[in-house]
Amino acid sequence: AQSVAQPEDQVNVAEGNPLTVKCTYSVSGNPYLFWYVQYPNRGLQFLLKYITGDNLVKGSYGFEAEFNKSQTSFHLKKPSALVSDSALYFCAVRGADRGSTLGRLYFGRGTQLTVWP
Amino acid sequence: DTAVSQTPKYLVTQMGNDKSIKCEQNLGHDTMYWYKQDSKKFLKIMFSYNNKELIINETVPNRFSPKSPDKAHLNLHINSLELGDSAVYFCASSQVGLAGFTDTQYFGPGTRLTVL
Repeated sequence: AQSVAQPEDQVNVAEGNPLTVKCTYSVSGNPYLFWYVQYPNRGLQFLLKYITGDNLVKGSYGFEAEFNKSQTSFHLKKPSALVSDSALYFCAVRGADRGSTLGRLYFGRGTQLTVWP
Repeated sequence: DTAVSQTPKYLVTQMGNDKSIKCEQNLGHDTMYWYKQDSKKFLKIMFSYNNKELIINETVPNRFSPKSPDKAHLNLHINSLELGDSAVYFCASSQVGLAGFTDTQYFGPGTRLTVL
């Protein structure tokens, strides 16, 4: 079964400090991993994805994520948080094998990031 | 230009009514999706269409019926609305690549449905 876990419902950091939003996954075969951000009353915006290649993936707004196959993790990071980064973050996974029903994504439950001034 | 658009943005209606939500994408994608986000922000896929063909049909009441008149549109019709249908409904689209693997999904702004 494919699934995503975001162990923290809430992450609070001070502006200027580094931030990490955690994600672990379970998938048969190689994973395709995604991070999305949702601002209040808005749709999901794509941040970054890992398909293959370099384990460190860089995305929008200065975010990056590190794929760790042995730990089945894909944590989202940013070196210096901004108040405007406060939002709901979703990790998602789909399998790379042919059994994945045409791109079906499995989402985590989301992590609310709050950056305080 | 908006890549994935939905109408209406807000929908308030009485129990028992029938309503529709429309979705359009101008990205040239061939696969479209409907998701439901509940009050706890949990996202759950409902349907997916590839080239106007239904390929994902989750355990959704048959009061929900998607319709895809062409690759750029995927509408969601809901009959006999119930209180529990209150949620935010998101449309998304992606392009199926080689060997049936899809690229990134792009989401619409959502439709907040409130059933009174």
